[in-house]
Amino acid sequence: DQQVKQNSPSLSVQEGRISILNCDYTNSMFDYFLWYKKYPAEGPTFLISISSIKDKNEDGRFTVFLNKSAKHLSLHIVPSQPGDSAVYFCAAVDRGSTLGRLYFGRGTQLTVWP
Amino acid sequence: EAGVTQSPTHLIKTRGQQATLRCSPISGHTSVYWYQQALGLGLQFLLWYDEGEERNRGNFPPRFSGRQFPNYSSELNVNALELEDSALYLCASSPRGLAKNIQYFGAGTRLSVL
Repeated sequence: DQQVKQNSPSLSVQEGRISILNCDYTNSMFDYFLWYKKYPAEGPTFLISISSIKDKNEDGRFTVFLNKSAKHLSLHIVPSQPGDSAVYFCAAVDRGSTLGRLYFGRGTQLTVWP
Repeated sequence: EAGVTQSPTHLIKTRGQQATLRCSPISGHTSVYWYQQALGLGLQFLLWYDEGEERNRGNFPPRFSGRQFPNYSSELNVNALELEDSALYLCASSPRGLAKNIQYFGAGTRLSVL
């Protein structure tokens, strides 16, 4: 069962513009969300996270927005740079659970072109 | 500080054989997680070890097993390999406490079953 969904397998954005990556989830028990970035031949790298008690978290060029009522979150990258080209995974966890696992989406391939 | 290290980088096996994958967590991390990333899919949770004990396993057959050693390193064993076991196997580790939900990944082991 895919409890975290990234419905866009790819996104292409021009350098300097905004990249918006979307993620939807179905499990209302999820209360912590993470974004990971993955380059080829490397493991996923933690990027930014947000707790369900917030609706926005910002770190430099990266901002994550959470809409709990819609069970939707998005990652904004402004301005986009060619080095941001990677696969971005959305992940979620129920921190009250003892299961320990993260639930991942299938990823969105972001390509930033000059 | 060294990150999560995995070995080998690549592993080629034939159907029916056994594969052993190894993972060393970040120093100070006590939890180790294993994920499978098959082609075109997201990260599928396999196993979680903490303090030497298996805490949770995903929806995989029993021929996927592992263990965690006293130094917190871990092994993933896959017995009776099948063609569909070909995938990237990622190991992650996490600290205790409030930061436990951020999992830090290694570069993975690419398993090819011929």
